Amino acid sequence: GQQLNQSPQSMFIQEGEDVSMNCTSSSIFNTWLWYKQEPGEGPVLLIALYKAGELTSNGRLTAQFGITRKDSFLNISASIPSDVGIYFCAGRGDSWGKLQFGAGTQVVVTP
Amino acid sequence: GAVVSQHPSWVICKSGTSVKIECRSLDFQATTMFWYRQFPKKSLMLMATSNEGSKATYEQGVEKDKFLINHASLTLSTLTVTSAHPEDSSFYICRGGGNGYGYTFGSGTRLTVV
Repeated sequence: GQQLNQSPQSMFIQEGEDVSMNCTSSSIFNTWLWYKQEPGEGPVLLIALYKAGELTSNGRLTAQFGITRKDSFLNISASIPSDVGIYFCAGRGDSWGKLQFGAGTQVVVTP
Repeated sequence: GAVVSQHPSWVICKSGTSVKIECRSLDFQATTMFWYRQFPKKSLMLMATSNEGSKATYEQGVEKDKFLINHASLTLSTLTVTSAHPEDSSFYICRGGGNGYGYTFGSGTRLTVV
């Protein structure tokens, strides 16, 4: 299916640095989701956003649902080695239950 | 809450045989189960959507006779890869939902066909 535009594709950062990634779409979404996937595992839901403008935190993670409903960003503050993984954004529009996914952002954290 | 248990986590099978993958919702009723396929370093590709008690809806290009989906109960959905070939080797993941609002994935199944 159609993919969201997720950037950057990859990030190599030092431990302690902040990480920021975003997703944009040409379509309006009702829900934005951010997942983390580690090798050999299914995606794990990090944050779910349900309203335009909503800003939600989960520990060191912060995500926002864009005002236009066509974008979202995820920030990770003070990165640690266990933040390594692939982060996917996903959006739900009108299609019942179906999600569109970004291509993923691979995060590598070096000590 | 909203736990989806997927088994097996990995399986190796011979070409021509069939493999069944199970996804169970442990603490909610999954009226809908979404089945995805993921290639290495790629995003998730939706294969089909199943609703309890009815036939699955397959995405364009997905062979329904190759990938049989059964969703006979509110807590169990299965994907059977029939007459598997090496090109069917992939990572398969399910996502369960109640009334279409479920965002929890199973842990995935790595299928290798030799």
